[in-house]
Amino acid sequence: DAGVTQSPTHLIKTRGQQVTLRCSPKSGHDTVSWYQQALGQGPQFIFQYYEEEERQRGNFPDRFSGHQFPNYSSELNVNALLLGDSALYLCASREYRLNTGELFFGEGSRLTVL
Amino acid sequence: AQSVTQLGSHVSVSEGALVLLRCNYSSSVPPYLFWYVQYPNQGLQLLLKYTSAATLVKGINGFEAEFKKSETSFHLTKPSAHMSDAAEYFCAVSKRTNDYKLSFGAGTTVTVRA
Repeated sequence: DAGVTQSPTHLIKTRGQQVTLRCSPKSGHDTVSWYQQALGQGPQFIFQYYEEEERQRGNFPDRFSGHQFPNYSSELNVNALLLGDSALYLCASREYRLNTGELFFGEGSRLTVL
Repeated sequence: AQSVTQLGSHVSVSEGALVLLRCNYSSSVPPYLFWYVQYPNQGLQLLLKYTSAATLVKGINGFEAEFKKSETSFHLTKPSAHMSDAAEYFCAVSKRTNDYKLSFGAGTTVTVRA
């Protein structure tokens, strides 16, 4: 049973560029969340997708956008990259109907902005 | 709003000694509480969770945590540290609703001395 998979694992961009990160949820899961983890900090919630709609959003600017596809996979897009966007981006999935709150995380995509 | 505070950004213990990681939470509603572990260059793995059943929760790798409502705490312990316990540990809280946004603490790095 494949867990949450993310791609790419590492990437380097320059300021002003745009980046797309991808996530495939754990088998059986239909809800995907994205988190940003800056160096030395805990993960910060970006947004959550369910039924191809953004359901909840954290305190992130509109430069951060996402999408969920019919197969439940998801993309995170960041436009006009800033140095401060350098971080590990974590995708997490769960089954919406299960009332446990537990999230399953992927290994992340490490973004470096130069 | 939910938040957690992890006391101590770094903890160093001897192999075989007690591991104690402190977490205090703030929540406007009854919370779900979690401990996650992150090994270098990896994603987050769930150690244990409190979802309103027993207040003493047992997790993987010999870890356990006790929910104390009166102290708003959810401290993580392991009686005997192993070298493989060296990692970063995150406490997290979410509301008992179906949004499941996790709010993480800043993390505690554990080093184990031989």
